[in-house]
Amino acid sequence: SQQGEEDPQALSIQEGENATMNCSYKTSINNLQWYRQNSGRGLVHLILIRSNEREKHSGRLRVTLDTSKKSSSLLITASRAADTASYFCATDARNDYKLSFGAGTTVTVRA
Amino acid sequence: DAGITQSPRHKVTETGTPVTLRCHQTENHRYMYWYRQDPGHGLRLIHYSYGVKDTDKGEVSDGYSVSRSKTEDFLLTLESATSSQTSVYFCAIPGVGNSPLHFGNGTRLTVT
Repeated sequence: SQQGEEDPQALSIQEGENATMNCSYKTSINNLQWYRQNSGRGLVHLILIRSNEREKHSGRLRVTLDTSKKSSSLLITASRAADTASYFCATDARNDYKLSFGAGTTVTVRA
Repeated sequence: DAGITQSPRHKVTETGTPVTLRCHQTENHRYMYWYRQDPGHGLRLIHYSYGVKDTDKGEVSDGYSVSRSKTEDFLLTLESATSSQTSVYFCAIPGVGNSPLHFGNGTRLTVT
């Protein structure tokens, strides 16, 4: 069964704007990860947040985690055309790399 | 991608034929994973391995078998391919660089 679900399914923004996407999950987790996938390529890890963390930053990325609501958000600030990709959240319940992925959010950044 | 190579990159096969996909790693990692990616489902775990000859089932293992005879290679076999197994298959290993899970570039399999 699918653990994580992303919202929205698709997002189109202008270059320079911020992009926010959300992930909800169903069962308790050890950590939550975000990945990016460019067309025809494998997934690339962006950021990992542990269950005892509430917020994490990496460059233009900000991730929040609310374990009481079983939800996470990914914010990409000052978006660029190169940010055009699909973004996936994935949960790891036992820290054993057996990840449960959501269906992804497709982000298009218009020049 | 550094550390992990999948072959073939593309494969078209007919229903009922056997198919084997290969994942090769150069990181000497104990753990290797096979996922499939389908529209609307994200990635789902098929099988994983935690050492040579040590494998276990994932979420969607029906119709698939795996083998790990040496550390660097993890094979995924569809004994008798069906159209529902048309998908993109990804292999992954943990801990390359800062990535908790590092993915290959995938094999696009079409079963006609």
